[in-house]
Amino acid sequence: GAVVSQHPSWVICKSGTSVKIECRSLDFQATTMFWYRQFPKQSLMLMATSNEGSKATYEQGVEKDKFLINHASLTLSTLTVTSAHPEDSSFYICSAQDRPKGETQYFGPGTRLLVL
Amino acid sequence: GEDVEQSLFLSVREGDSSVINCTYTDSSSTYLYWYKQEPGAGLQLLTYIFSNMDMKQDQRLTVLLNKKDKHLSLRIADTQTGDSAIYFCADSGFGNEKLTFGTGTRLTIIP
Repeated sequence: GAVVSQHPSWVICKSGTSVKIECRSLDFQATTMFWYRQFPKQSLMLMATSNEGSKATYEQGVEKDKFLINHASLTLSTLTVTSAHPEDSSFYICSAQDRPKGETQYFGPGTRLLVL
Repeated sequence: GEDVEQSLFLSVREGDSSVINCTYTDSSSTYLYWYKQEPGAGLQLLTYIFSNMDMKQDQRLTVLLNKKDKHLSLRIADTQTGDSAIYFCADSGFGNEKLTFGTGTRLTIIP
């Protein structure tokens, strides 16, 4: 149980285009979902926390208008990278909690974004 | 802010025990975690420990927590080639609102 999927698993896009990444909890309802970014050979950096039906909370230094997060249902959160640039190329990973402030975050398999 | 530190690399012979260490700064952390990441993949939760515990054992995995020194370790018994991965420790902070990850330790198994 507690499976989280992401789609797509990898995407290549041209600079200036927007890319949407989906994060789904497959067998549980996720009250809270998290979006992380991981550069090669580095740790995960939390970008934002999203709660179903409310606005996402962004970490310091993360541009809200560039990384749009929508948590429209208890099983789906989306991250849209708007007007992508090569420096946005990274590995994006989502995670989900099955209850508020629950002790476990379940992670998705990640989405690799390459912006040309 | 919170800080979580790990050594970057560890090499262990197949069959030996691996011990991966982690230090953290947030004394109010409720839970501490160990995650495994294989190349190109997401994170797999291995185990976690509640802050009022000293030790937790789960099959080949043993977690030790020294809250006084803010030191966490993960011992993998009988290390196998499939254990090759990057291991991240993370702390939940107070209230489990978000995780702070360590730098990750790349475990290499020597045949």
